Amino acid sequence: DAGVTQSPTHLIKTRGQHVTLRCSPISGHKSVSWYQQVLGQGPQFIFQYYEKEERGRGNFPDRFSARQFPNYSSELNVNALLLGDSALYLCASSPQGFGSEAFFGQGTRLTVV
Amino acid sequence: EDQVTQSPEALRLQEGESSSLNCSYTVSGLRGLFWYRQDPGKGPEFLFTLYSAGEEKEKERLKATLTKKESFLHITAPKPEDSATYLCAVQGGGSSNTGKLIFGQGTTLQVKP
Repeated sequence: DAGVTQSPTHLIKTRGQHVTLRCSPISGHKSVSWYQQVLGQGPQFIFQYYEKEERGRGNFPDRFSARQFPNYSSELNVNALLLGDSALYLCASSPQGFGSEAFFGQGTRLTVV
Repeated sequence: EDQVTQSPEALRLQEGESSSLNCSYTVSGLRGLFWYRQDPGKGPEFLFTLYSAGEEKEKERLKATLTKKESFLHITAPKPEDSATYLCAVQGGGSSNTGKLIFGQGTTLQVKP
């Protein structure tokens, strides 16, 4: 079975640009969450979507937005990129909205220059 | 505020030298405590879920235990391939129906042959 897939794997953007990251969850999983991980730290929660509805939002500015599609795949959008947005962006899928383990993709390494 | 603290930050072991990693947590209504393994530049790999104090889970050389305030990841007779960063995360309940995970900063384990 395919695990969580994210695209692209690496991305270089210039300050002020916009970026879209994509995630396909494990088949049958209805929840997708996004996390940001900077070097040397644990992942930080950005968003959770369950059954196409936002279930949670972390402490990130409005430049960050996300959505979930009818096939449960998801996009994370970041506008007006800052140097500090450089990080590994992780997508996790779960079968339920809460109370079950989350399985992560390999991540998208975003570098803002 | 929900919080997770892992110790030590880094651990160097000789092959075969057993040890334990600690995860202390503060959370409103624990729904689950999760252990992950993360290799450099990759997404976290799920290891264990623990739901209630006294619960234990084992997988090969790893054993996870849970109390009301902390969790331990015991590594018995480690091998060089066990070298990685080990992440602990909690999912809280309260009045929220979100699957948000709160991560510690991780323990980086190096096992020398």
